[in-house]
Amino acid sequence: SQKIEQNSEALNIQEGKTATLTCNYTNYSPAYLQWYRQDPGRGPVFLLLIRENEKEKRKERLKVTFDTTLKQSLFHITASQPADSATYLCSSWGKFQFGAGTQVVVTP
Amino acid sequence: EAGVAQSPRYKIIEKRQSVAFWCNPISGHATLYWYQQILGQGPKLLIQFQNNGVVDDSQLPKDRFSAERLKGVDSTLKIQPAKLEDSAVYLCASSLGQGARWDTEAFFGQGTRLTVV
Repeated sequence: SQKIEQNSEALNIQEGKTATLTCNYTNYSPAYLQWYRQDPGRGPVFLLLIRENEKEKRKERLKVTFDTTLKQSLFHITASQPADSATYLCSSWGKFQFGAGTQVVVTP
Repeated sequence: EAGVAQSPRYKIIEKRQSVAFWCNPISGHATLYWYQQILGQGPKLLIQFQNNGVVDDSQLPKDRFSAERLKGVDSTLKIQPAKLEDSAVYLCASSLGQGARWDTEAFFGQGTRLTVV
């Protein structure tokens, strides 16, 4: 069956470092992937979309890559700040699936 | 612009009771989604509407869940009768996506937290 998988373990990182999150998909080839941020008690908020023909996309301190050979997307938060602490969700919108999300905790 | 509105924010009911959730999407958004998010998990799509037609309801437990989108705008999700395992946050989202253009961002409401006791 089609799946999107993210690291379930929380990622603890020191302020200023780069956080890297992984999203793997199996048994299908999405035309694009989206990344969302979710804070406790709130709905997900869209961050970035990357298409299969794009290797990399950037927005401010965020960077997303899409490797169709590895069937993987990487999400990077550079120069991380405590305000970046949240759960980050990967979504293959074409199949309306979300991964379980990876919690990021940035400590000062 | 106004975001996706959902109500109520919280609901506590006993098992076997019924409950309804309401969603008002962003004006002009053709596509509306209902998701179920169990604690610690990602959102799971229950049903997707485009205008007032159902695009995908393959994961909707149709023996107890129902949804409608009135005149292609507001939507209601109902559970009858509720089970303990229905305890979750129910998220509504909308997007501009129409036809082949699904590569648009979705805007989510704050969700309704349902507790079934």
